[in-house]
Amino acid sequence: EAQVTQNPRYLITVTGKKLTVTCSQNMNHEYMSWYRQDPGLGLRQIYYSMNVEVTDKGDVPEGYKVSRKEKRNFPLILESPSPNQTSLYFCASSLSSWYEQYFGPGTRLTVT
Amino acid sequence: SQQGEEDPQALSIQEGENATMNCSYKTSINNLQWYRQNSGRGLVHLILIRSNEREKHSGRLRVTLDTSKKSSSLLITASRAADTASYFCATSGFQKLVFGTGTRLLVSP
Repeated sequence: EAQVTQNPRYLITVTGKKLTVTCSQNMNHEYMSWYRQDPGLGLRQIYYSMNVEVTDKGDVPEGYKVSRKEKRNFPLILESPSPNQTSLYFCASSLSSWYEQYFGPGTRLTVT
Repeated sequence: SQQGEEDPQALSIQEGENATMNCSYKTSINNLQWYRQNSGRGLVHLILIRSNEREKHSGRLRVTLDTSKKSSSLLITASRAADTASYFCATSGFQKLVFGTGTRLLVSP
């Protein structure tokens, strides 16, 4: 089954404790991206990757890092989480930014 | 940012009625896409309309695109309770897909 998986689905952590949210897709897609969703603000892109070892900033990259060492995986790293990073995070993959995006189920992160 | 904005922010209708939601955007696009999100879940792609197309249909969905006005509309005909969700437009530009803030649709039985 074609899918995008994210782990963990729910995470409660404390300020400053480094964390990683994993994202994996099994569709051989070249384009992957991370979004955060906040009430009233819609989805905002954090980072995207056009292919392996090619990543670029989206609209809200501050406080986040990503890597793309393999085509299928695109982890999101919060090196020092802060409460303003409490949000619902989505990973998505696609053939390219022009095509239909396939979304993961989401990761609800709470930073206290 | 070329973020789209949906209108209305919320829409409440009865089953069987049609639902229309609109999207406006700011810059030139390659295509415009509509997505649906059930509460707190991942978004699901509904339909894509290219910048050189004016109208597209998929089942009970009808999408129009007016590039001169930088606007699009999504029409859901004969709505069902199961259509209750949030709907987002997304504009495809250079290497990025930018989402609007969404319309929350409530369809009552």
